[in-house]
This record gives sequence, C-alpha cells and structure tokens, in this order.
Amino acid sequence: GENVEQHPSTLSVQEGDSAVIKCTYSDSASNYFPWYKQELGKGPQLIIDIRSNVGEKKDQRIAVTLNKTAKHFSLHITETQPEDSAVYFCAARSLPGNNRLAFGKGNQVVVIP
Amino acid sequence: KAGVTQTPRYLIKTRGQQVTLSCSPISGHRSVSWYQQTPGQGLQFLFEYFSETQRNKGNFPGRFSGRQFSNSRSEMNVSTLELGDSALYLCASSPTSGGASDTQYFGPGTRLTVL
Repeated sequence: GENVEQHPSTLSVQEGDSAVIKCTYSDSASNYFPWYKQELGKGPQLIIDIRSNVGEKKDQRIAVTLNKTAKHFSLHITETQPEDSAVYFCAARSLPGNNRLAFGKGNQVVVIP
Repeated sequence: KAGVTQTPRYLIKTRGQQVTLSCSPISGHRSVSWYQQTPGQGLQFLFEYFSETQRNKGNFPGRFSGRQFSNSRSEMNVSTLELGDSALYLCASSPTSGGASDTQYFGPGTRLTVL
C-alpha cells in the first residue's frame, strides 16, 4: 500500500519567517494530497489540498507544491504567526473509488514569538 | 453548516469490554471514514462506509467493525478491548467516495482509554 514519509519531525521558526514541510510518497498512482493541521485536543483540520493534475496551489499564506516525478509534495507557510504552532500531517490517496488516506507521522511546528 | 460530530468525546473502559462510537457526518455527506490515532503509529485507516456499504478496510483485526445507517450516521464497534486499543478515534466525512473533488473533514475524535 501507499507509504508517506514526512520530514522534519519538528520544526522551530521565528515569527515572520517561512516554514517548509516536505513529504514523499511511494505509489505513483496517488492522485490526491491533503494537508491537515491538528491542535491539541482537536481533530485534524484541512488547510489545503492538491490534486495530481496541478503542480502548485496557494491560499493566502499557505501553499502546496507537488512534484510527481520525484514523488514528493511540500507545504509552505509564509509570514508565520504564533497561531500556526501545531502538528501538521500530510496524506496521500492512491486507490480510486474510495477515500482511504495514508498519513505521514506529522510535524510539530513551533513558531517562536 | 454543522461539522462532523462524534460521541462520546471521552470513554474509559476495561480490558475485555466492548465499545461503540458514533459519528454524524456533515449534512449531505454520504461517506464516513474511521481512523485510529496513536502516538506510536500515527493516523491509521480503519474503514470507510458509503451508502451503508463498507468500501475499504485497513489492517485491523476483526474485533474492529462498523456500520452505516440510511441517514449516513456511522458507528464503529470494538469488541474484547485490549490495552493497545487506547487511542483517539477519528471519523471523517466526505460528499462521496473517492470522487474527483472529494475532500475529507474530520470530527474532534473520541478519546478511548482502556484500563
């Protein structure tokens, strides 16, 4: 099945700087890649997603890039703010006709004021 | 529109007991997926239900089961609980199953502790 790896496991950034999290996936048939943010005591919240027919998507301070050849996708957060501190999960869906997601292990992002 | 709701939010059980968790999807969504989240294994897919049918199942023992009702609400059941079943159980809803524009939205989860 699909295997998703996430790096780095922990990322500390100064407020206002950018944060980048990279994920790699194993199944070249994967066609959908969401990113979720999880705060303590809450369920994962979708922040952005990208499908295999595009290479980049942006939503205000958040962007995701996809490199199908190298089988990796990255989350970019610009102008980080303290409220961006959370655990971020990447995921991939490879099987058509269902919603099964394979998740990375998560990245703890700490924004230092 | 109300989000995904899960009940109960917290549960404490003892080994050998069984437990039933409930998930109500976003109105109009017909797919419900269940995931188990633990510090060691992360988020792992349990199963997905769409139109009352199980569409896919993860690598969990038969003690884990689920069902979906005609109103799209879903329940999952764990029988003969083991200490290792302690986890956050999350459900996610989506309009359809695996469609080109499907996006999954998660509920807050049910925290299960097995003593």
